[in-house]
Amino acid sequence: QKEVEQDPGPLSVPEGAIVSLNCTYSNSAFQYFMWYRQYSRKGPELLMYTYSSGNKEDGRFTAQVDKSSKYISLFIRDSQPSDSATYLCAMSYSGGGADGLTFGKGTHLIIQP
Amino acid sequence: DGGITQSPKYLFRKEGQNVTLSCEQNLNHDAMYWYRQDPGQGLRLIYYSQIVNDFQKGDIAEGYSVSREKKESFPLTVTSAQKNPTAFYLCASSNTDELFFGEGSRLTVL
Repeated sequence: QKEVEQDPGPLSVPEGAIVSLNCTYSNSAFQYFMWYRQYSRKGPELLMYTYSSGNKEDGRFTAQVDKSSKYISLFIRDSQPSDSATYLCAMSYSGGGADGLTFGKGTHLIIQP
Repeated sequence: DGGITQSPKYLFRKEGQNVTLSCEQNLNHDAMYWYRQDPGQGLRLIYYSQIVNDFQKGDIAEGYSVSREKKESFPLTVTSAQKNPTAFYLCASSNTDELFFGEGSRLTVL
């Protein structure tokens, strides 16, 4: 069983829809959870950062962490064509993250105009 | 502007040749990382360095080597021992959990 599972998609939705992206993980030692967005042929950029269980909202984006279920989610409201990208979940054991992050494979999201 | 610069962006090499990918950052970050990204595989950690003159192997270090002689620089050499070197290579730096990535270098071995 891989440490982090993420459906690679592609996930195609119409503009304006609510998008739900998810990851599951097996190692209960993960404490810090992140979502990165990666446009084609570019480096990933941090979208959301959460610690332990709970919700975090930033504009149209909401990140949820359920440590009891080992499940994290990213919701995108009022999706736009510019949201079309690959979304990578990532997690780490320590606050410093100095030993690197463990990434999911990424979900390719397509927002249809 | 502050950021991470990777070069070259595209690189073609013949099988059996060593190749070095450059990574420079002016963010004053202590930690630097090299990841490899393959289709359907996600990002996998090759090497990381938390301080100058020190570095650790990641999950897939075989066939790669690095150096960290300066805080700003963390070059990656893909050696002929790497069995499947064709990939997208990403360099990152960090002072916290947030990794800042470069634009990547796409290596194709012919």
